Amino acid sequence: KNEVEQSPQNLTAQEGEFITINCSYSVGISALHWLQQHPGGGIVSLFMLSSGKKKHGRLIATINIQEKHSSLHITASHPRDSAVYICAVRGGGDSWGKLQFGAGTQVVVTP
Amino acid sequence: KAGVTQTPRYLIKTRGQQVTLSCSPISGHRSVSWYQQTPGQGLQFLFEYFSETQRNKGNFPGRFSGRQFSNSRSEMNVSTLELGDSALYLCASSYRQGNSPLHFGNGTRLTVT
Repeated sequence: KNEVEQSPQNLTAQEGEFITINCSYSVGISALHWLQQHPGGGIVSLFMLSSGKKKHGRLIATINIQEKHSSLHITASHPRDSAVYICAVRGGGDSWGKLQFGAGTQVVVTP
Repeated sequence: KAGVTQTPRYLIKTRGQQVTLSCSPISGHRSVSWYQQTPGQGLQFLFEYFSETQRNKGNFPGRFSGRQFSNSRSEMNVSTLELGDSALYLCASSYRQGNSPLHFGNGTRLTVT
């Protein structure tokens, strides 16, 4: 069983819609990353969180350490947001420093 | 600032051969980590180097190894290639070890025939 679960696996939205991607994890962590991967493979780091909430442009990321859950929100979605979004956790405790990844959420935004 | 540079971009090797991939981090970054991405397993952590020392290692066999040089450039080596080693290999650099934003290279796509 993967220790990092993302939902949904796939998501299609119309331009302008609000999008939410969820990430749940079962291990103790020191930080959580949200990554964006476009076709062709390049990965961009969107956020690194250890508590609370961060905002960058139309993207918002939140984390609840007690519930072991994080969400990535895209407001006013645009076709250029079409990509795979990946949640990654950096382990704490015995797994300190190791990164574990979710399977990714394929997002398609249609005009 | 130049981004993370991985060479080569594409590589085709035969089963049983070995391969060395290179990663040049962003100037000033001292941590380099390596990842394997396949359609079946997704992204998996290989190892992380900081100040020329391996700090963390994922669950891969000993055929996968790496090293980091004094200028922070890193190489990873895979010996006795298997068909299942076909994957996109990504490296990422960060300013420090641990909780620091990751900057990814474009990857090396390895095909083993």
